[in-house]
Amino acid sequence: KQEVTQIPAALSVPEGENLVLNCSFTDSAIYNLQWFRQDPGKGLTSLLLIQSSQREQTSGRLNASLDKSSGRSTLYIAASQPGDSATYLCAVRQAGGYQKVTFGTGTKLQVIP
Amino acid sequence: DAMVIQNPRYQVTQFGKPVTLSCSQTLNHNVMYWYQQKSSQAPKLLFHYYDKDFNNEADTPDNFQSRRPNTSFCFLDIRSPGLGDAAMYLCATSRASGNSPLHFGNGTRLTVT
Repeated sequence: KQEVTQIPAALSVPEGENLVLNCSFTDSAIYNLQWFRQDPGKGLTSLLLIQSSQREQTSGRLNASLDKSSGRSTLYIAASQPGDSATYLCAVRQAGGYQKVTFGTGTKLQVIP
Repeated sequence: DAMVIQNPRYQVTQFGKPVTLSCSQTLNHNVMYWYQQKSSQAPKLLFHYYDKDFNNEADTPDNFQSRRPNTSFCFLDIRSPGLGDAAMYLCATSRASGNSPLHFGNGTRLTVT
């Protein structure tokens, strides 16, 4: 059974700091890994998707990396802003035709002005 | 715009009174997912459809059932809601390929009185 863990569970940083969020998974047989953000009481917004054959993806101030063999992904946020405050979730899609997607435990980020 | 639509946004039901949540998509995706998300927790997969194949998670209560009458629509039926079933219910869709992201609806927030 796939287990997805995110560390840290919560993070508070001053505005302008660069930060790294971590996601680890136990079964490396995956199709892709997707990062989301979720604002309180809202739905999920997709940030980045990395296919299993890729090492990293970038979008604006966000950079996500994937090391499939070691079961790890990181989300790097450059020059953090108060508007980045949200919960960040990673989700892993299982390979093998089953299409199951398992979410990580989430990291709650607060960027202090 | 192609999208995933969940109705209603807010649903209030009484303890033990059956309730149905709906999800529709215009993306023509062949995979549809139902997630349950309780406050401050990660989304938990209840079940998903890969085309017409239904995949139920082992720990999904029998109280929860689903129907997918066609590609576009998927329903979540809660036969006898308990207070512990109060949560946000999220529907997501995807194509069955490694480069296809999950697309989420805005969710239905269920209250059980």
